[in-house]
Amino acid sequence: EIVMTQSPATLSVSPGESATLSCRASQSVNYNLAWYQRKPGQAPRLLIYGASTRATGIPARFSGSGSGTEFTLTISSLQSEDFAVYYCHQYNNWPPHTFGQGTKLEIK
Amino acid sequence: QVQLVEAGGGVVQPGRSLRLSCAASGFTFSSYAMHWVRQAPGKGLEWVALISYDAYNKYYADSVKGRFTISRDNSNNTLYLQMNSLRTEDTAVYYCARDDGWLHYFDYWGQGTLVTVSS
Repeated sequence: EIVMTQSPATLSVSPGESATLSCRASQSVNYNLAWYQRKPGQAPRLLIYGASTRATGIPARFSGSGSGTEFTLTISSLQSEDFAVYYCHQYNNWPPHTFGQGTKLEIK
Repeated sequence: QVQLVEAGGGVVQPGRSLRLSCAASGFTFSSYAMHWVRQAPGKGLEWVALISYDAYNKYYADSVKGRFTISRDNSNNTLYLQMNSLRTEDTAVYYCARDDGWLHYFDYWGQGTLVTVSS
C-alpha cells in the first residue's frame, strides 16, 4: 500500500497571500496524483488530476506540480472561499486507493 | 449537472447491519465505475470499495473485506453499500464518488451520510 503524507497539517495564511501544500508518496506514483478540497457539510471537490491538470471550472489560482513522490498544490491570491481542508490522492497503484491525511488551510 | 445523493446512514449497534444507497443523476450511470470513501471523526479519507460500470469487478479495502458488499442497480441509477458485522471503527461519514472512467481519480462526490456504530 502506498502511504501518502501531507504537510503541514495546518497552514495559516492571510487572504491575498499564497499557500503551498505538500504531499509525499512512499513510492513513485508517476503523475497519478489528484487534489481535492473539502469544506464542512459539502461534497469534496476535485481540483487537480494528473498532478497538474485543473479540473473543469477550477480557477487558475490553483496549480499543481510534481511527479514521482513529491507533489505541491499552490493556491495564489487566497480568497475567503479557499479556506478548507485539502487532500491528495494517489491512483497509480490500487487497490487500495490512498489519501493523505489532509492539510487544513485556515485564515491567519 | 452530476449529482450524487447518499442516504441510509444512522445509529446502529455493533454487530448489526446497515445498507447505504447513492442516487445518481445528470450522467449515464451505467457507463461509470463508482466508489465508496469514508471519513472517520478526526481522521483522513479512507477508500472503502470500488465497483466497475457493469458490476463485474469489485474491490475492497482490507478493513472491510468480508463484511461490506458494494453493488449497483443500473436500471435505477443507484449504488449501494451493504455493511454487515459493523464495528465501532466503522463510524464515519460515507461518501459515494464517481470514477473518472480513465485514470481512476474521483471526479464527483456526494455530500455523504453519517454512520455511527455505538452501543
